[in-house]
Amino acid sequence: EAQVTQNPRYLITVTGKKLTVTCSQNMNHEYMSWYRQDPGLGLRQIYYSMNVEVTDKGDVPEGYKVSRKEKRNFPLILESPSPNQTSLYFCASSLKQGATNQPQHFGDGTRLSIL
Amino acid sequence: KQEVTQIPAALSVPEGENLVLNCSFTDSAIYNLQWFRQDPGKGLTSLLLIQSSQREQTSGRLNASLDKSSGRSTLYIAASQPGDSATYLCAVRPSSSASKIIFGSGTRLSIRP
Repeated sequence: EAQVTQNPRYLITVTGKKLTVTCSQNMNHEYMSWYRQDPGLGLRQIYYSMNVEVTDKGDVPEGYKVSRKEKRNFPLILESPSPNQTSLYFCASSLKQGATNQPQHFGDGTRLSIL
Repeated sequence: KQEVTQIPAALSVPEGENLVLNCSFTDSAIYNLQWFRQDPGKGLTSLLLIQSSQREQTSGRLNASLDKSSGRSTLYIAASQPGDSATYLCAVRPSSSASKIIFGSGTRLSIRP
């Protein structure tokens, strides 16, 4: 089954403790992206990747890192999490950046709570 | 800067009614517009994608239209059912930055049995 898989689905942790949210897709998609969803603010893009070893900042990259060493994986790293990063996070992928007729596929989300 | 707005934020209608959800965007230079559905605790499911050269797309009871010149899109849901209850989001891919997608805040739809 074609899907985008995020782990963990839920995480409660403390300020300053490094964490990684994994994202994996099995559709051989080139383009992957991370979003955070907050009440009243909608979904905002954190980082995106157009292909292996190609990443770029979205609208709200501060406090986050990403890597794209393999096509299928695009982990989101919070080196020193802070309470303002408490949010619902989504990973998404699509076939390729230039294929404008291709929809984005989303994971089920990761709810992070930073205390 | 492209902004996407969805009004109303919430809508409740009785089962069986036809309804229209609205999406507006400030910059008409877009590659495409996509409508998503989000169920509580779940990710986004793509419903319809309309290319900038298209006027509408249909899938089952759903019909999405696009009027680029006025910066508007509508999602029409025919014969609504309780299972249609969800949050509906629209998103545009700007021509100036095809790698980005800009979302509206969504309309939370509730269909009363």
